[in-house]
Amino acid sequence: KAGVTQTPRYLIKTRGQQVTLSCSPISGHRSVSWYQQTPGQGLQFLFEYFSETQRNKGNFPGRFSGRQFSNSRSEMNVSTLELGDSALYLCASSSAGGYGYTFGSGTRLTVV
Amino acid sequence: QQQVKQSPQSLIVQKGGISIINCAYENTAFDYFPWYQQFPGKGPALLIAIRPDVSEKKEGRFTISFNKSAKQFSLHIMDSQPGDSATYFCAASTNSGYALNFGKGTSLLVTP
Repeated sequence: KAGVTQTPRYLIKTRGQQVTLSCSPISGHRSVSWYQQTPGQGLQFLFEYFSETQRNKGNFPGRFSGRQFSNSRSEMNVSTLELGDSALYLCASSSAGGYGYTFGSGTRLTVV
Repeated sequence: QQQVKQSPQSLIVQKGGISIINCAYENTAFDYFPWYQQFPGKGPALLIAIRPDVSEKKEGRFTISFNKSAKQFSLHIMDSQPGDSATYFCAASTNSGYALNFGKGTSLLVTP
């Protein structure tokens, strides 16, 4: 079956702009999580959604937000982009809500 | 702060050798400990995971050893192959947090 699909794969934005990233989970998976990966900080948890409800949020500023739709697809939004937001943003889905996460290949965001 | 500490940062092993990566944690509420493998340009892929009620789990050439009293766990890759060259991440989560706390990663190079 199809894996976790993230679009777009690459994105270049200017400081101050906003960006929306999309994630389609594995069919049947209702839990979707987002992570930020940078060389300095590694993999850091952003937030997790289950059945359209945010169940947990990591330690990121309010500029980072997300949502999940009724078909389990998820989007994350970053407003007022900063240079430090340049990272690989990874989406992961799970049927068990917390265990056995499958990751997508990520969206590489570059802020200039 | 980093809830899961991983070492070493990098590792070079000859083909056929044993690769060992170690992780330590402080939060005794963690009850799920997965290992992920990541190749360049790809998202992390779940390799193997363990719960604290067992001390060892083996899947093929990959073994997790878990020491609950020491709050440590490790990944052993037996008969390491050049195709195992990747970055490995340990992680930990609780049964209610839905968030994976990742180690900083170990870059493994298996030489022919």
